Amino acid sequence: EVQLLESGGGLVQPGGSLRLSCAASGFTFSNYAMSWVRQAPGKGLEWVSVILGSGVNTFYADSVKGRFTISRDNSKNTLYLQMNSLRAEDTAIYYCATYTRTRGFDYWGQGTLITVSS
Amino acid sequence: DIVMTQTPLSSPVTLGQPASISCRSSQSLVHSDGNTYLSWLQQRPGQPPRLLIYKISNRFSGVPDRFSGSGAGTDFTLKISRVEAEDVGVYYCMQGTQFPLTFGQGTKVEIK
Repeated sequence: EVQLLESGGGLVQPGGSLRLSCAASGFTFSNYAMSWVRQAPGKGLEWVSVILGSGVNTFYADSVKGRFTISRDNSKNTLYLQMNSLRAEDTAIYYCATYTRTRGFDYWGQGTLITVSS
Repeated sequence: DIVMTQTPLSSPVTLGQPASISCRSSQSLVHSDGNTYLSWLQQRPGQPPRLLIYKISNRFSGVPDRFSGSGAGTDFTLKISRVEAEDVGVYYCMQGTQFPLTFGQGTKVEIK
């Protein structure tokens, strides 16, 4: 059974930094691209970033490019999102999800809430 | 960026009756490899999203056959043949044909 467990959320001040983690199990992690998708309170889904299985290729939404960095440690089956220069508009639940071009986002974690506020 | 537009934004449905959600993309979703990467997701209240349909019409593992997808090019539809209470939630279309990946605004399905 595929399981994705996010952690690292919390309250951070504007301009601050936070690192999210997503622990994966139940599948061969290194074979899968992984993604972060966020959802602001009461709003829809917004794709944030994708990293391919090897970790070499990454893609970002314009809204986070230059501030967020996606990475992975295939030896630990863990996905990361380093978030710098956080803004109020980054407040959201952040979900990690497996990603394939064929199916899109096929498995999702429960999400972790990031609140950016002074 | 490809803009995904869903209609309606809200759909009150009687239990046992059908429901239909439309999704239109601002440009064709046909990839250079010939495939169309359009998927549908369901988000029940308080839950993470869940994949229902991929590549227009393929049901994901464990998805009931009352859910079906159709369409081509820029116009796509998700249909629920007979709505059940557990189908309440928000439904999103998503295009994976090109980056940035984009979602529709979501359609809220509720019981009348």
